Amino acid sequence: NAGVTQTPKFQVLKTGQSMTLQCAQDMNHNSMYWYRQDPGMGLRLIYYSASEGTTDKGEVPNGYNVSRLNKREFSLRLESAAPSQTSVYFCASSEQAADTQYFGPGTRLTVL
Amino acid sequence: AQSVTQPDIHITVSEGASLELRCNYSYGATPYLFWYVQSPGQGLQLLLKYFSGDTLVQGIKGFEAEFKRSQSSFNLRKPSVHWSDAAEYFCAVGGLTGGGNKLTFGTGTQLKVEL
Repeated sequence: NAGVTQTPKFQVLKTGQSMTLQCAQDMNHNSMYWYRQDPGMGLRLIYYSASEGTTDKGEVPNGYNVSRLNKREFSLRLESAAPSQTSVYFCASSEQAADTQYFGPGTRLTVL
Repeated sequence: AQSVTQPDIHITVSEGASLELRCNYSYGATPYLFWYVQSPGQGLQLLLKYFSGDTLVQGIKGFEAEFKRSQSSFNLRKPSVHWSDAAEYFCAVGGLTGGGNKLTFGTGTQLKVEL
């Protein structure tokens, strides 16, 4: 099992550009999550999907959209990137709500 | 609202010394508590978790944590630290309130191990 995979690993964007971060899990988990990690701030939840077909806002959803494409895949889209979105982005999944979350290796995004 | 406080931003210990990382939480019901470890440039790996039952939980790599409801704490301990334990450690709280398991993470404690 690969667990949780994320692409790309690194990305540099210019202000105003758009991009989609991809996440896939092969553990047949129902719930999936997107976090961002910034120095001194821990991990903050952007969006989550408790089950296939549902998505909900987390703590910091502004400037982002998500799509739960199927049970395996959960993508995060930046429509118009801003320097404040420079961060490391982590995808995670869990079997059910309130279960342990398993994390991907992260995507390091820089917005110039 | 749930929250987690990790009061120590940085901790330095000598190899072979004991370690305790502090975590205090705020949660309106029975919490689910987690400790994760993150090595540089890596994702987060689960060390241990508390859902219910015995308040002293054992994890991987020789770590343990004790849930103390009266103190709203879930401190992480290791009797003898190894140089490979140098990493950042995150405490998290979650539970069944609301939709999904919305974990709230602390801001992390960076552990440095002196040889």
